[in-house]
Amino acid sequence: DIQLTQSPSFLSASVGDRVTITCRASQGISSYLAWYQQKPGKAPKVLIYAASTLQSGVPSRFSGSGSGTEFTLTISSLQPEDFATYYCQQLNTYPHFGGGTKVEIK
Amino acid sequence: QVQLQESGPGLVKPSETLSLTCTVSGGSISSSSYYWGWIRQPPGKGLEWIGNIYYSGSTYYNPSLKSRVSISLDTSKNQFSLKLNSVTAADTAVYYCARGRYSGSYTCFDSWGQGTLVTVSS
Repeated sequence: DIQLTQSPSFLSASVGDRVTITCRASQGISSYLAWYQQKPGKAPKVLIYAASTLQSGVPSRFSGSGSGTEFTLTISSLQPEDFATYYCQQLNTYPHFGGGTKVEIK
Repeated sequence: QVQLQESGPGLVKPSETLSLTCTVSGGSISSSSYYWGWIRQPPGKGLEWIGNIYYSGSTYYNPSLKSRVSISLDTSKNQFSLKLNSVTAADTAVYYCARGRYSGSYTCFDSWGQGTLVTVSS
């Protein structure tokens, strides 16, 4: 089974900050990775798929990069509505999720 | 705009079977462009993929749950269902249904239901 490790698990940041979240796969998964945002009490929402493709309607301040075993989600300028928990998901084999990264207000 | 809605009992007794249904509106569950999945989230914890079902009826389950889980399609009602047997308190979670979408060889869950909390307790 391919494991996904996200870091950090918790992140404190201010509005306007550039934020980077990392997701590492225990084996190579090419670009079969998606990123989701989840706000409290709500269902997750896809932001990025195929490692770097922005889902329609998602603001361009979100970007994804990487392939193989190391991936990043970057928010170029954190906005108040971006405070949430972010999950990566690998879709190469069993579509497991990473453990999540909670982004909170500093 | 596709919409998904979970339904089913909010309370299940230990050792019994958890049964949930996802009703899909605004799109056909029989489309080969999509597949359908169940994901759960224990209170305060992360997301766990349970399994997928494809328009053909084939299924793909999380190995850790495979012995207890079954997902089926009802194309006449545009619904798909989850059954998880022999439940314990560890199965208490918010259960989400979701639509998987293909983009070339890539995929993601692009639409989700609102989720339904299922508590396992006597």
